[in-house]
Amino acid sequence: QVQLQESGPGLVKSSETLSLTCTVSGGSMYSSYWSWIRQPPGRGLEWIAYMYHSGSTNYNPSLESRVTISVDTSKSQFSLKVTSVTAADTAMYYCARRSPYWYFDLWGRGTLVTVSS
Amino acid sequence: QSALTQPASVSGSPGQSITISCTGTSSDVGGYNYVSWYQQHPGQAPKFMIYEVSNRPSGVSSRFSGSKSGNTAYLTISGLQADDEADYYCSSYTSSSTLYVFGTGTKVTVL
Repeated sequence: QVQLQESGPGLVKSSETLSLTCTVSGGSMYSSYWSWIRQPPGRGLEWIAYMYHSGSTNYNPSLESRVTISVDTSKSQFSLKVTSVTAADTAMYYCARRSPYWYFDLWGRGTLVTVSS
Repeated sequence: QSALTQPASVSGSPGQSITISCTGTSSDVGGYNYVSWYQQHPGQAPKFMIYEVSNRPSGVSSRFSGSKSGNTAYLTISGLQADDEADYYCSSYTSSSTLYVFGTGTKVTVL
């Protein structure tokens, strides 16, 4: 059974770079799309980015200038970097697997990232 | 690309049926059958409930059903139970540059 687990610092200073990693266990990363989604406290979900195992990527245009997603299939991990963070980037960050038919069928438990001034 | 529009809250008594709407445009909900629904209990990650408008993944109760008419998708929960109390989000592929959009979310309360 495939499982996802996010990891990374829970506190990031304003203007610095947020870095998170998602570890995929119990299955292969091949032939799947790997994604990041976030949810500010008390608010709704926002799709950030996804990438195919081969390395092709797509980003939410609202975040594209500050976001990078990457994959390391040898470690069964994919990562997210968000540069120049502000308080608006404070959120629960989820990694998820995206189906070719545009639904997220597997989610990690999420990791809360707080941006401090 | 704006979020899909959902009612902020819907409530019902145990055993009743409720329906949550999700309104988009012809560029997303109306144009493609890539609508999905997620259930989120407080403090938990979203759970995948419906895909491609009306399909249920294995393990999801048949009390949950999805449909679509024009630019609006619907999630119906029949035989409402206490554990159905949660937030529900719709989502869709969109032909806009955003590619994917979530709904604003609906809080379901079981009276």
